[in-house]
Amino acid sequence: EVQLVESGGGLVKPGGSLRLSCAASGFTFTSYTMNWVRQAPGKGLEWVSSISSSSSYIYYADSVKGRFTISRDNAKNSLYLQMNSLRAEDTGVYYCAREMYALSYFDYWGQGTLVTVSS
Amino acid sequence: DMQMTQSPSSLSASVGDRVTITCRASQSISNFLNWYQQKPGKAPELLIFAASTLQTGVPSRFSGSGSGTDFTLTISSLQPADFATYYCQQTYSIPPWTFGQGTKVEFK
Repeated sequence: EVQLVESGGGLVKPGGSLRLSCAASGFTFTSYTMNWVRQAPGKGLEWVSSISSSSSYIYYADSVKGRFTISRDNAKNSLYLQMNSLRAEDTGVYYCAREMYALSYFDYWGQGTLVTVSS
Repeated sequence: DMQMTQSPSSLSASVGDRVTITCRASQSISNFLNWYQQKPGKAPELLIFAASTLQTGVPSRFSGSGSGTDFTLTISSLQPADFATYYCQQTYSIPPWTFGQGTKVEFK
C-alpha cells in the first residue's frame, strides 16, 4: 500500500525556518517525481515545488523561489522541504504528492502537515 | 504562467442531480488536465487524469471531457458522498503546475 506521511509542521515566527519531511512507503520511491502542494486556510490548492526521481530537475513556484528548497534522500525514501524566511502567507497545510510519469498527475497524497507563521 | 479558471465557484444541488463543472486553460494544454475531489479536512484525491480517464476505483458516475482549453467534469447522478470541492489541474509540459480555484458542491 502506498503511503506518504508528512511531518515537521508547527508554529514559527515570521522570518523563521522550518523543515518538512515526507516519508514514503509501499512503492519504489526512486522511480517517481515528487511534489509539495499547499493550501492556505479556507483557500484552494497551490503547487509549491517538484523534484525529479534523481534530483536532476527541480522546480519552484514563484511565490517560494529563493526561500524554499526541495530535496530528497532516496536511500531513506524521504522527501524534504526546507522553508526559510517564512511569511504569514506561507501559512497552510502542506501536502506531499507522488507524480505519475509522463502525464504528471498526482495519484497519491499524504495527509498533510500544518504550518502556521505568526508572531 | 498558465491560468486555470473553474466555474462555477460553488453550486447547490440535490441527490440525483446531474452536475457539470467547467475548467478553462489560458492556453492550449492538449489533454493534460486532471480533476481532484477534496472533502473537508482531507487530502485531495485523484478522480480523472488526461482529461477523461477515470482513476481506478472512482465511480462511473464521474466523467471528464475536453481538450485544448475547455474541459468539463460531469457527475451524472449526484450522491451524498459527492458533496465536496473539486479542483482541476494542468500538467502540460513542465512545471509550474496550476490548479483551478475550486468548485464547492453543496447540498441544496
